[in-house]
Amino acid sequence: QVQLQESGPGLVKPSETLSLTCTVSGDSVSSGLYYWSWIRQPPGKGLEWIGYIYSSGSTSYNPSLKSRVTISVDTSKNQYSLNLSSVTAADTAVYYCATEGTYFYDSTGYSLLDHWGQGALVTVSS
Amino acid sequence: DIQLTQSPSFLSASVGDRVTITCRASQDISTFLAWYQQNPGKAPNVLIYAASTLQSGVPSRFSGSGSGTEFTLTISSLQPEDFATYYCQQLNAYPPAFGPGTKLDIK
Repeated sequence: QVQLQESGPGLVKPSETLSLTCTVSGDSVSSGLYYWSWIRQPPGKGLEWIGYIYSSGSTSYNPSLKSRVTISVDTSKNQYSLNLSSVTAADTAVYYCATEGTYFYDSTGYSLLDHWGQGALVTVSS
Repeated sequence: DIQLTQSPSFLSASVGDRVTITCRASQDISTFLAWYQQNPGKAPNVLIYAASTLQSGVPSRFSGSGSGTEFTLTISSLQPEDFATYYCQQLNAYPPAFGPGTKLDIK
């Protein structure tokens, strides 16, 4: 069973870079089984998909954040990371790491976010 | 980008009630839709994928249906642990957007 744990600063100043790490246990970030994803949720609001990285190093980002987001992987530590630059108060949120797995039904592959970390609250404030 | 709407936004119900939540997509997403349940202070948990397939371990009182642009999540007999917020998510195209959520609380 895959387990995920977010870590990083809980407070970031405006205009600086938010950096979070997700430590993976129960699988290898190199396995190719999952897309290693980040999702965020502002306080009291809904979920927003940020992006993912695959074992090959390929990435996909939400166009609304693409100019500010970088997701990278450290295979030696079995971790992957999120960097979000030039943050503002609007980036205050609980940030979740999650796995996007593929499940087959009726010969068709379906993606879903099947494992989640507990979430890390990041507040942007001076 | 594909947009999702959910109705209702809020729903009050009692233990034992049957409830239905609707999710609508801005364009045809076939059956590439998942439903998640989120309890306060917790990460979401997937209930259903492929619009109607129950994820392993999810109670059978949950069911999903629909295809194309209109989908439903039904809970046949509400249990106390079902009072939570429910989100749909389309996974037909990136970015995989979520619906705005439906908060289900106790009447």
